[in-house]
Amino acid sequence: SAVISQKPSRDICQRGTSLTIQCQVDSQVTMMFWYRQQPGQSLTLIATANQGSEATYESGFVIDKFPISRPNLTFSTLTVSNMSPEDSSIYLCSVDQGTNEKLFFGSGTQLSVL
Amino acid sequence: AQSVTQLGSHVSVSEGALVLLRCNYSSSVPPYLFWYVQYPNQGLQLLLKYTTGATLVKGINGFEAEFKKSETSFHLTKPSAHMSDAAEYFCAVSDDTDKLIFGTGTRLQVFP
Repeated sequence: SAVISQKPSRDICQRGTSLTIQCQVDSQVTMMFWYRQQPGQSLTLIATANQGSEATYESGFVIDKFPISRPNLTFSTLTVSNMSPEDSSIYLCSVDQGTNEKLFFGSGTQLSVL
Repeated sequence: AQSVTQLGSHVSVSEGALVLLRCNYSSSVPPYLFWYVQYPNQGLQLLLKYTTGATLVKGINGFEAEFKKSETSFHLTKPSAHMSDAAEYFCAVSDDTDKLIFGTGTRLQVFP
C-alpha cells in the first residue's frame, strides 16, 4: 500500500496570502487527486493531476485559484492562492494504485485563514 | 451523474451493540462502492470496497457491507461496536474512471 506524506499538516494564514501544500508518495503513481473537505462537510474533488500534463479541474475550481504541479510520478503540489476565510478547509492528497482498486489518502492539511 | 446519500449525519450506539450506517447511491453504470473511515485529526482509511463479484464485502476492524443493486444500497454494518470505532464514516461511489464521489459522512459515537 502507498504511503503518502503531506506537508504542512496544518497552517494558519492571513487573508490574501498563498499556501503551497506538498504531497509525496513512496511509489510511482499515475494519477494523483486533490480533495477539499470544508468544515462539517464531505470531500469534494478539486482536480486530477497527471504527470506531464496540466491538471484537470472539477466544476467550481479554477487553475488561477488552485494551481497544481506534478513534476514527477511521486510528487505533487497544490497552491491555494489569494486566500480568504472561505478557503479554511482540510486539503487531502490521494493516489490511485490501480483503477478503482484502492485510493490512498494523505493525512491532510488543515488550513485556517484569518 | 453519480451521487451518494448517507442517511443520518450522526449515529449513536452503545458499546457491544449493532452498528448500521446507511448508504444509497445513484449511478448510470455498474458502480464501484467504498467505505472510508476518518479518525479525529487523521486522513481517510479504506474500510472496504465493492467492485465486482460477491455482494457481501468484508473489511477491516470487523466491518462488512452488502451491495444490493435492487435497493441501490451499500449499508455498512458491524455486529458489536467498540469504543475505538468512534469516527466519521464516508461512503463513496465511482464509475469506470478514478474519481470518487463522497457522501456527506456519518459521525459514529459509541457510548460505554
